[in-house]
Amino acid sequence: LAKTTQPISMDSYEGQEVNITCSHNNIATNDYITWYQQFPSQGPRFIIQGYKTKVTNEVASLFIPADRKSSTLSLPRVSLSDTAVYYCLVRDGSNTGKLIFGQGTTLQVKP
Amino acid sequence: DARVTQTPRHKVTEMGQEVTMRCQPILGHNTVFWYRQTMMQGLELLAYFRNRAPLDDSGMPKDRFSAEMPDATLATLKIQPSEPRDSAVYFCASARGTGFFSGANVLTFGAGSRLTVL
Repeated sequence: LAKTTQPISMDSYEGQEVNITCSHNNIATNDYITWYQQFPSQGPRFIIQGYKTKVTNEVASLFIPADRKSSTLSLPRVSLSDTAVYYCLVRDGSNTGKLIFGQGTTLQVKP
Repeated sequence: DARVTQTPRHKVTEMGQEVTMRCQPILGHNTVFWYRQTMMQGLELLAYFRNRAPLDDSGMPKDRFSAEMPDATLATLKIQPSEPRDSAVYFCASARGTGFFSGANVLTFGAGSRLTVL
């Protein structure tokens, strides 16, 4: 079964760039890596998805090395409202094809 | 915005009682997931369906949990009998899947059903 590893928590200050890395072994070779954001009392919300190299949207960037054993979510110039839990989601590379969430990284943005 | 609707939002029950949680996926989404979230275990996949057919329910305790999709607009998760260790937030999510091993990774989650079993 795929295992994902993320830092449990991170602190940052407003205006800084934040990078959160997720390690994932046994990821399905033909599938995407997806990141989600979760606020208290809400369900996770899709942020960004990528397969390899770099993807950027209006919210974040996602960096994926060639071996795809990790991915890094980059949040530019964070604000207080970016305080949340961030999860990576990958599909298990075994024949189950199950979608596995990481344990989540709690990002605390300070003024 | 299209939403995944879950009911009830909150449920408090006593041990041994039956609990049924319902989910209305987004119209046109053919893949439905049930996740459970606790502080200790994080987000755990309980079961998921593609085109209403169960693809995997290995994350569920089979003796007490059951998941079904009676039709494309309704997914249910039932616990009978409930136990205190089932206390958690249960999330339903839906996605538009284009294949078994690709796509369907952009999940839209409902607001969750918070279950407390006393």
